[in-house]
Amino acid sequence: EADIYQTPRYLVIGTGKKITLECSQTMGHDKMYWYQQDPGMELHLIHYSYGVNSTEKGDLSSESTVSRIRTEHFPLTLESARPSHTSQYLCASKVQGGTDTQYFGPGTRLTVL
Amino acid sequence: KNQVEQSPQSLIILEGKNCTLQCNYTVSPFSNLRWYKQDTGRGPVSLTIMTFSENTKSNGRYTATLDADTKQSSLHITASQLSDSASYICVVSDRGSTLGRLYFGRGTQLTVWP
Repeated sequence: EADIYQTPRYLVIGTGKKITLECSQTMGHDKMYWYQQDPGMELHLIHYSYGVNSTEKGDLSSESTVSRIRTEHFPLTLESARPSHTSQYLCASKVQGGTDTQYFGPGTRLTVL
Repeated sequence: KNQVEQSPQSLIILEGKNCTLQCNYTVSPFSNLRWYKQDTGRGPVSLTIMTFSENTKSNGRYTATLDADTKQSSLHITASQLSDSASYICVVSDRGSTLGRLYFGRGTQLTVWP
């Protein structure tokens, strides 16, 4: 079982609210990722980080933002949630380089009404 | 275009039976291929990983095969159990970037009935 945690697990919120999805890992991994996954669909990379103070946008355009102030913490923020943001958000991490596997958190299921 | 296609989309089998899931990919240059298991409401968990030179890898009742020439992989599950009910995702990594870019299939939803 990987030591990567996400909170909250489920979130139902109204349109226009600001939300932050938390992700933390205790494995000392440098690389961290945020994915968005809709039911029956593939995972889409929305943000990633090579390490502290590094953040990059992924393949899928997202209105969310991320920060990486500490190695173990990679929160995702939506300034103004909309129904189109309803989805499952998965955080993952891996060690630098090689073919090392990405370890995934349990995900946050976000519903915006 | 780099893609990963999985079949079937869904599968129902009886407990104790075997099954095989398929994955075709067009990712290039190829680095490795992983099979992940994703339980409902959970994050994916890695089952196997294979590089270009490996053509089979086992993890308990799970056996993955890779044909790098035809760009096909399969995941065979032996003596299925109720706990095998999950989505099985094929993930291919390219070696063309330092990010270790991953390409995800949509998964095969497996249901095991008692």
